[in-house]
This record gives sequence, C-alpha cells and structure tokens, in this order.
Amino acid sequence: EAGVTQFPSHSVIEKGQTVTLRCDPISGHDNLYWYRRVMGKEIKFLLHFVKESKQDESGMPNNRFLAERTGGTYSTLKVQPAELEDSGVYFCASSLLDRSGETQYFGPGTRLLVL
Amino acid sequence: KQEVTQIPAALSVPEGENLVLNCSFTDSAIYNLQWFRQDPGKGLTSLLLIQSSQREQTSGRLNASLDKSSGRSTLYIAASQPGDSATYLCAVPGSNDYKLSFGAGTTVTVRA
Repeated sequence: EAGVTQFPSHSVIEKGQTVTLRCDPISGHDNLYWYRRVMGKEIKFLLHFVKESKQDESGMPNNRFLAERTGGTYSTLKVQPAELEDSGVYFCASSLLDRSGETQYFGPGTRLLVL
Repeated sequence: KQEVTQIPAALSVPEGENLVLNCSFTDSAIYNLQWFRQDPGKGLTSLLLIQSSQREQTSGRLNASLDKSSGRSTLYIAASQPGDSATYLCAVPGSNDYKLSFGAGTTVTVRA
C-alpha cells in the first residue's frame, strides 16, 4: 500500500511568486492534515480536511495560504504571494476516521525556500 | 492550549547503551500520544501510538510508557545502534480535535 506522497520534494522560489504544494493521502483516508515546520520551531498544525470539507483551518497563518481538497482525494496548498517567512518544511498527513484514537501517517514533506 | 516539551534536546551515547527520551504535556485530557522518528531531510515515521487508556506500548527494542495524570511519556530504546541516530518527536492531539501538538524533538546520536 502506498503511503502519503507529496510533490514537489523541494521548491525554491522568489518572494512574491506563487507556489502550489500537492499531497496525495493514503487511499481511503478521509482525514487529511497540513502541518509545517519553520526554521528552529516545532511542527505546527495548519489545517484539517474531512473528505472535501475543511474541518479546522485555525492554524493557517494568513490569507496568502489557500488549501483545497478536490473530491475528497488529493489536496493542494497554494501560497500566493510567497514571503520570506514562509520558508520551511510543509508536511501532509492522513488518517482513517476513527474516534477511538488514530495514527496520523505523514508524508516526506516539501521543503520550501523563499528567496 | 497544549504545550509539549521534550528533554533532553540532544543526546549522544555509545552503541549498546539504552536510550531514555522524555516528553511532557500540559493538558492531560488527551486521546493518545504518538512517538515519531525523523531522519535528516526525511519525513516523519510513526513509531508507537499509545492510547489514553494504556500505560505502555512495545515494538521490538522500543517501549513507550504513558502517565496521563502527570502529563508524561517516556520512550525507551534498548541496546542502541548507530541506525537509531535520528530526531525523535512526541505529539498529542487536542482534547476536542485531532490536530497534533508536537514537541521540539530530541536529536539522538549513537556512536559506533
């Protein structure tokens, strides 16, 4: 069974440009999460989808970040326009909908550098 | 707001020694606690998940304990090997949702 995949693995862009990150969750996982780790800080939650619906986007830094999950399958996270402080590693995770407690399976991350 | 702390921040041991990694959290109303491993430049690999009703979980040389009332978890790695060198992270979901709060991690180096 394929794990969570993310594309691209690395992205280097200039300030003001747009970048779109993609995440493909494990097949059948209704829950999809985005997290990020900026330099020197802990990994922080960004948002949570249940199928195609945004369940919680309380961690999104500002309106330059837009996440979508078309048809409840893969998800994209767009940053427009990118700023220097957006540099970091963006992780995607997925899990089954299981209220007794669940393991979140993480992808390898996308390393974003904004110059 | 959940705060997760990991001590120590870094640890260096000779091969064969047992490792003890500590994690503490401020809000004891948790569903579970998860330990992850991260290799340099790589993603997160889930090692163990302990449900709130459990006190211990084991997988091979790894053993994780959970004391929910005191807000602590400990990850033990027996007979460490150079391949165990990585950053170990603990994470807990919120009391009303599934978003994980992470500690800063403990970076482990096992010397051959």
